[in-house]
This record gives sequence, structure tokens and C-alpha cells, in this order.
Amino acid sequence: DGGITQSPKYLFRKEGQNVTLSCEQNLNHDAMYWYRQDPGQGLRLIYYSQIVNDFQKGDIAEGYSVSREKKESFPLTVTSAQKNPTAFYLCASSFGLPYNEQFFGPGTRLTVL
Amino acid sequence: KNQVEQSPQSLIILEGKNCTLQCNYTVSPFSNLRWYKQDTGRGPVSLTIMTFSENTKSNGRYTATLDADTKQSSLHITASQLSDSASYICVVSAQQAGTALIFGKGTTLSVSS
Repeated sequence: DGGITQSPKYLFRKEGQNVTLSCEQNLNHDAMYWYRQDPGQGLRLIYYSQIVNDFQKGDIAEGYSVSREKKESFPLTVTSAQKNPTAFYLCASSFGLPYNEQFFGPGTRLTVL
Repeated sequence: KNQVEQSPQSLIILEGKNCTLQCNYTVSPFSNLRWYKQDTGRGPVSLTIMTFSENTKSNGRYTATLDADTKQSSLHITASQLSDSASYICVVSAQQAGTALIFGKGTTLSVSS
């Protein structure tokens, strides 16, 4: 999976609880991204970060938060404000600009009960 | 509006047969087009990346074509194998600030014996 790890692979949470998904990369990539994938839909961008201590909202940022304190790490928190959090979450990274090739992690499947 | 449309939505073929997947896009200004393979429950893996000046690019049994004039791309799989069963995603990059990636919804290919 290209030096990007995501944990855990499966995550179950009760409705109303916040949950944090981990993403780590050892590719020395500057940029990191979080996507959400739902059945029958294309990947949708949640947040991205091009440098440490800076990040930008994507197309569906509401109900999510991120941090980028280290180049290697880009954790995603799914908050209780996210109305439909059950989905497959993918983390990716790339050198420099977003239109460079992005390498994806193995994904985390979050199920909210 | 930048869009990427893939067809067919799903496809079933017999092992050993060839198939072609289609991708039409309305993305401007165009930077590059990529095909990813995504196994069920895994992250996407890049198959090919093509820029404006490239018409054809191969990766083993996978051959991608690009017609920048008609804004169409195809992915041809030769002598299919059971391991080719996956979702194939077309992603187009725009030369612009910000996220710049537009994902298709993917074609689900099932190869049966």
C-alpha cells in the first residue's frame, strides 16, 4: 500500500461519539488527503494538507476535523456532528501539488451503530 | 462543471477474454488522467498516468488510451484473469489551485471462470 498505513481497518462506534482515524506515511510526501467512499459514488475529498500545520477543507468537510502536526501523520476525527458517518475512509499522500500522483492507504471502514 | 463519467457501471466477463472500460470527462484545464484499480475493501492502486501529449500507455495487460480532443479515455484489459476482478476508477486532474482531482464513480469488473 505504498508506505501509507491506516488504522484500524474496521471501527465500530456508537452514534454520538467522536472517533479518530489514523493515517501515517513514510514516503516523505508533503501533501496528505482524506477521502470518503460510499457505495456507487466516486471518492469525495474531506480535507487535505499541503504542509505541516496547514490544512484546507475539501468538498464535504462538515462534521470532520483534522490536524497536521507532523509531516508523517494526518489524523481524521469524525465528530458527532457528521450526520452519516458510516463509510469507507481513505487516506492518500503525494509530493507537492494535488495533481501529482496520489498514493492511497488501505482504508478504514467505519460503522456507526 | 468538471465531471468524469465512466461506463459501463459494471461488467461481467469470462476469464481469458478482453474488455474495454470507458471514461469521458469535462475537466478544464486538463493536467493528466489516471486509471486506478481498487480491490474490494482496499485502497486504489495506480495503473497508468497520462498527460495531454500521451495517446497510449501500457502496464502489462492493461493499456490506456487518451483522446484529448474528444476528452475520452479507455482502459483495455487483455486476457483477463480472476485477479482482475475489481473496481476501476478514472481520475482526471485539473491544473488549478486546491484539490484539482475529479473522480469517476468507477466500473466494477467481475471475471468469472
